[in-house]
Amino acid sequence: DTGVSQNPRHKITKRGQNVTFRCDPISEHNRLYWYRQTLGQGPEFLTYFQNEAQLEKSRLLSDRFSAERPKGSFSTLEIQRTEQGDSAMYLCASPGARNTGELFFGEGSRLTVL
Amino acid sequence: KQEVTQIPAALSVPEGENLVLNCSFTDSAIYNLQWFRQDPGKGLTSLLLIQSSQREQTSGRLNASLDKSSGRSTLYIAASQPGDSATYLCAVLDSNYQLIWGAGTKLIIKP
Repeated sequence: DTGVSQNPRHKITKRGQNVTFRCDPISEHNRLYWYRQTLGQGPEFLTYFQNEAQLEKSRLLSDRFSAERPKGSFSTLEIQRTEQGDSAMYLCASPGARNTGELFFGEGSRLTVL
Repeated sequence: KQEVTQIPAALSVPEGENLVLNCSFTDSAIYNLQWFRQDPGKGLTSLLLIQSSQREQTSGRLNASLDKSSGRSTLYIAASQPGDSATYLCAVLDSNYQLIWGAGTKLIIKP
């Protein structure tokens, strides 16, 4: 258990529907990252937060994607009008308490768009 | 632009063998390098973190080395077990504080 919690673990949806994923990071740590991973590939950076501020967004994050981190605690990643190409594992990560630069990941939220 | 490469993409060895997984990166300006394990359909488990000033780190049967000047890291697994079967990914924290990932090596340990 890394201390990073994600839910739901698996979401199956029809094309065009909206989905939202939640990440509860290691407490007392101000950085939070979202990644996307497709089969056979390494994770791709989507966005990251320092406290409640979204400091960087990848070009992969189209207008249909939005991430929030109200109050600098948990974070949500919403995908609107899902497309089949959005099918992937969405991973959340936060640094550990010792601030060594090590990242700890949650179990991920797998999205399947039919 | 930092690029991370892992070769081979897949590896199958008999149980009990020692093995080495390779990771190479193009830009030596990194803060650290991290090795992860990923089981099918699961998230990523951090195995070892090597800071840029370090040469190696050890945890149990795992030993990771870092040669920053040549842009290489190896993950050595001693006395492999079927439970070691997984995909192993390396990632470097680059000068922009971004994690740049390899595509992983899928390891199968045959009983």
